[in-house]
Amino acid sequence: DSGVTQTPKHLITATGQRVTLRCSPRSGDLSVYWYQQSLDQGLQFLIQYYNGEERAKGNILERFSAQQFPDLHSELNLSSLELGDSALYFCASSPGTGLPYEQYFGPGTRLTVT
Amino acid sequence: GESVGLHLPTLSVQEGDNSIINCAYSNSASDYFIWYKQESGKGPQFIIDIRSNMDKRQGQRVTVLLNKTVKHLSLQIAATQPGDSAVYFCAEKSAGGSYIPTFGRGTSLIVHP
Repeated sequence: DSGVTQTPKHLITATGQRVTLRCSPRSGDLSVYWYQQSLDQGLQFLIQYYNGEERAKGNILERFSAQQFPDLHSELNLSSLELGDSALYFCASSPGTGLPYEQYFGPGTRLTVT
Repeated sequence: GESVGLHLPTLSVQEGDNSIINCAYSNSASDYFIWYKQESGKGPQFIIDIRSNMDKRQGQRVTVLLNKTVKHLSLQIAATQPGDSAVYFCAEKSAGGSYIPTFGRGTSLIVHP
């Protein structure tokens, strides 16, 4: 158990809908990262937050957004969902933003868009 | 663009053998490398890391070797066990860039009892 929790574990929704994925980092970790993992694209970095502020952005679509709250939990919002958004979404946390660089990953949310 | 990739998508070994998982990277500016293990149904788990000023680093039953000349990284697992069956990812970070690793596509390690 990494100490990172994600909810829900599974999510099935229809195209055009909007969903929210939730992540609670390990106790004491200030950084939260979101990743998308699909069969054809591997593990893709979406976005990072550090202590409530956006720190780095990766291949995140404009239809997707995220935020980190004062209690450090984070939410990833996916809107206008398309079939291609079906994937595993992982949240990871780390104590800070620099080295040593060990990210702790949550169990993931499996999103299925039908 | 520059990317991280793996030579072998699947590696099958017998229990007790040593396993070697390879990774080629193309960004010569990468200064930090990480290996992750992902078991079925779980998130990636940090195994070991190595900085570019090192050639070798050892952990518990694992060794990472870095050859900067040919931009090659390998993960050696000694006395492989069925519990080592998983997908292994290498990831790299560019010097001077953000601390966001770029992940390779992964190698599936299958350990036969």
